[in-house]
Amino acid sequence: EAGVTQSPTHLIKTRGQQATLRCSPISGHTSVYWYQQALGLGLQFLLWYDEGEERNRGNFPPRFSGRQFPNYSSELNVNALELEDSALYLCASSLFGGGYTFGSGTRLTVV
Amino acid sequence: QKEVEQNSGPLSVPEGAIASLNCTYSDRGSQSFFWYRQYSGKSPELIMFIYSNGDKEDGRFTAQLNKASQYVSLLIRDSQPSDSATYLCAVIWGLNNAGNMLTFGGGTRLMVKP
Repeated sequence: EAGVTQSPTHLIKTRGQQATLRCSPISGHTSVYWYQQALGLGLQFLLWYDEGEERNRGNFPPRFSGRQFPNYSSELNVNALELEDSALYLCASSLFGGGYTFGSGTRLTVV
Repeated sequence: QKEVEQNSGPLSVPEGAIASLNCTYSDRGSQSFFWYRQYSGKSPELIMFIYSNGDKEDGRFTAQLNKASQYVSLLIRDSQPSDSATYLCAVIWGLNNAGNMLTFGGGTRLMVKP
């Protein structure tokens, strides 16, 4: 069974640009979660999607947005990139009430 | 606000010893509890979950849950240098639309010294 896949693995962007990160959940999982992890820090919850709907949102500005497609894959968009957006972005999927399975992450560097 | 608390460490133990990692949570209604291991620069990996009071063993790992004390722990027996990582405790508060979310603690860094 394929795990959670994220692309790209690494992404380098210039301040002010937009970044798009992608995630494909485990087959059969309808929930997708996005987390930001800055270097040396804990997981910060960004967004939760389930059945195509945004279910919850963390304490991040509106320039962080996303969507979930009918096949349950998801996209995270970060507009007007700032230097402090540099982090590991993790996507996870789950069945309802179960633990999360994480992808290997996208390392975003803003220069 | 619902919180999950962990000592950030580092917790240093000698090779072969038992490492004990602790986690407290704020909501008595919490349903499910998870332990993740995260190596530096890598994504978290689920290693244990527990739903009921008591102990649950899986190889060298034992999860312990005490809902009355709002306390969950992870014991690692015969610790190896390869166990050196950050261990994240996570809690599902309740199985409703908002309650499917895991809330993570800040993690405890474990160092196993040869």
